[in-house]
Amino acid sequence: AQSVTQLDSQVPVFEEAPVELRCNYSSSVSVYLFWYVQYPNQGLQLLLKYLSGSTLVKGINGFEAEFNKSQTSFHLRKPSVHISDTAEYFCAVSDGTGGFKTIFGAGTRLFVKA
Amino acid sequence: GAVVSQHPSWVICKSGTSVKIECRSLDFQATTMFWYRQFPKQSLMLMATSNEGSKATYEQGVEKDKFLINHASLTLSTLTVTSAHPEDSSFYICSARVAGSGYEQYFGPGTRLTVT
Repeated sequence: AQSVTQLDSQVPVFEEAPVELRCNYSSSVSVYLFWYVQYPNQGLQLLLKYLSGSTLVKGINGFEAEFNKSQTSFHLRKPSVHISDTAEYFCAVSDGTGGFKTIFGAGTRLFVKA
Repeated sequence: GAVVSQHPSWVICKSGTSVKIECRSLDFQATTMFWYRQFPKQSLMLMATSNEGSKATYEQGVEKDKFLINHASLTLSTLTVTSAHPEDSSFYICSARVAGSGYEQYFGPGTRLTVT
């Protein structure tokens, strides 16, 4: 069975500072990994995905994530955050079964302060 | 880009009534749609996987007789909350997987259900 653990429920950070949102997963087979962002009262928007190949994945809005198989991690990073990055971020995993059923982590609220 | 809509965006209903939520893929065909439930400040919990033309597959602990899912066409899936109770109040989000694309899925904006 798959599972996702987001280690931080909230991350406060000052504007223009770097940020890392941590995600660990468990799965018995090869996985596909995703990061989604959710703004208040909205659906989810895909930030980036890892399917295969290069372990460093670049996404939208300046975000990137690195897949580390030995540590079963997929941490999200941004070198300099903006106020507009304040949102809920979800890490998710799919092993391709069940029609690409996706399991989500609990979420990390990124709060960017001026 | 692929767009998924949900209707209504919010609904208030009385306890004991039923509510239907629609999920539509506007510019692509979706053989698979997923229904999620999200409580305030919590993650998305997968409720069921809906495949066009067949019965939905429900996750453990989800009452299939309470949450009726119909996927009648390649662009429409519906979730009906039957005999709603206040504890059914939640944010319901659907996603649609592009036919033949593998992992690619797009999320609707969600429907906020409040049962009074």
